[in-house]
Amino acid sequence: GQSLEQPSEVTAVEGAIVQINCTYQTSGFYGLSWYQQHDGGAPTFLSYNALDGLEETGRFSSFLSRSDSYGYLLLQELQMKDSASYFCAVRVSAVGGFKTIFGAGTRLFVKA
Amino acid sequence: DAGVTQSPTHLIKTRGQQVTLRCSPKSGHDTVSWYQQALGQGPQFIFQYYEEEERQRGNFPDRFSGHQFPNYSSELNVNALLLGDSALYLCASSDSYEQYFGPGTRLTVT
Repeated sequence: GQSLEQPSEVTAVEGAIVQINCTYQTSGFYGLSWYQQHDGGAPTFLSYNALDGLEETGRFSSFLSRSDSYGYLLLQELQMKDSASYFCAVRVSAVGGFKTIFGAGTRLFVKA
Repeated sequence: DAGVTQSPTHLIKTRGQQVTLRCSPKSGHDTVSWYQQALGQGPQFIFQYYEEEERQRGNFPDRFSGHQFPNYSSELNVNALLLGDSALYLCASSDSYEQYFGPGTRLTVT
């Protein structure tokens, strides 16, 4: 089966940098995604890593190490609006195609 | 361009009843996945439809079934509802690795 582990909660100060880690155990791994979900809202896509290394998109960066089955999401210059839940998700191959499996999520609290 | 839409927004059902939830994918997307999200948890994969066929399935009982229509819209059916089926049901469409989620249907079973 597949399993993903990420911290349940992280608290940081506005303007700071925060890193949310994700480790996974899965077969048929293709890539690691990150999604953001505000309370009462739907998950929205942030990033996808299929190869080792760092991908940067504005204030957000995502890293993947396939050999370590590990990735992280880095949020810089934190803003109050970044308070949300962040999910790592693995894209895995399966009979007939691919599927995406989500972690339990990390709740980020940004304080003034 | 309309994104993913779902109906209804909220639904209250009684144990033992049956429910049908509906989803229209983002324009141009042919793959639809359904997820169940309990409060404070991550989305749990139910199944995925492509070309009107169920291609992938998660660890959900046969009470959960679905359908995809020729226009790529999809339905999720749940029979013999249990209290534990109360959750947010999310539909996502995709044409690659990025999933576009709808606003979800909040199902409450009493």
